[in-house]
Amino acid sequence: AQKVTQAQTEISVVEKEDVTLDCVYETRDTTYYLFWYKQPPSGELVFLIRRNSFDEQNEISGRYSWNFQKSTSSFNFTITASQVVDSAVYFCALSEVGLGAQKLVFGQGTRLTINP
Amino acid sequence: DSGVTQTPKHLITATGQRVTLRCSPRSGDLSVYWYQQSLDQGLQFLIQYYNGEERAKGNILERFSAQQFPDLHSELNLSSLELGDSALYFCASSGQGDNSPLHFGNGTRLTVT
Repeated sequence: AQKVTQAQTEISVVEKEDVTLDCVYETRDTTYYLFWYKQPPSGELVFLIRRNSFDEQNEISGRYSWNFQKSTSSFNFTITASQVVDSAVYFCALSEVGLGAQKLVFGQGTRLTINP
Repeated sequence: DSGVTQTPKHLITATGQRVTLRCSPRSGDLSVYWYQQSLDQGLQFLIQYYNGEERAKGNILERFSAQQFPDLHSELNLSSLELGDSALYFCASSGQGDNSPLHFGNGTRLTVT
């Protein structure tokens, strides 16, 4: 069965610090997708990134970067120079692929608080 | 704004009652998904529809049912409600292809008293 583990339940840092959110996954599939979503205090789920299992290149988008390592089944998310607006719950998710179905398995989330 | 519209935003009802949650997907998206977010279970996949047909099923209770209409909007029906059904219910939509990311609506917060 697929599983996503976000071991960090809560993280609190001071603004401008760098912070890394860990995500470890389990799957028997050879083809899968990994995602990160952000849930700000307002409650909506905001899509951040999608990665397929064949693409291990790291990705950077502004202050956000993602490190995908298949060897350790990890897909970590780093925020550089954090800002108060980054405060949210962040979810890592794994999707099995096939037959047009896409079931996301979410981790329990990491609550990130950025203090001014 | 994700483009996915969910109504109502909040719903308060009593145990034993039945409610209907509505979702309009993003323009052009054929797939609609329903997820439940509760404190104890986290975010859980309930069901997926694609162009009116059920495509995948997750941990959806028998008391719950869903459908997708010809105009692609979807409804999630929850019946014989229990206190434990109190949760945030999200709808998401995606375009064609297995690699299309899900875009979520703002959710409907259901409180069962």
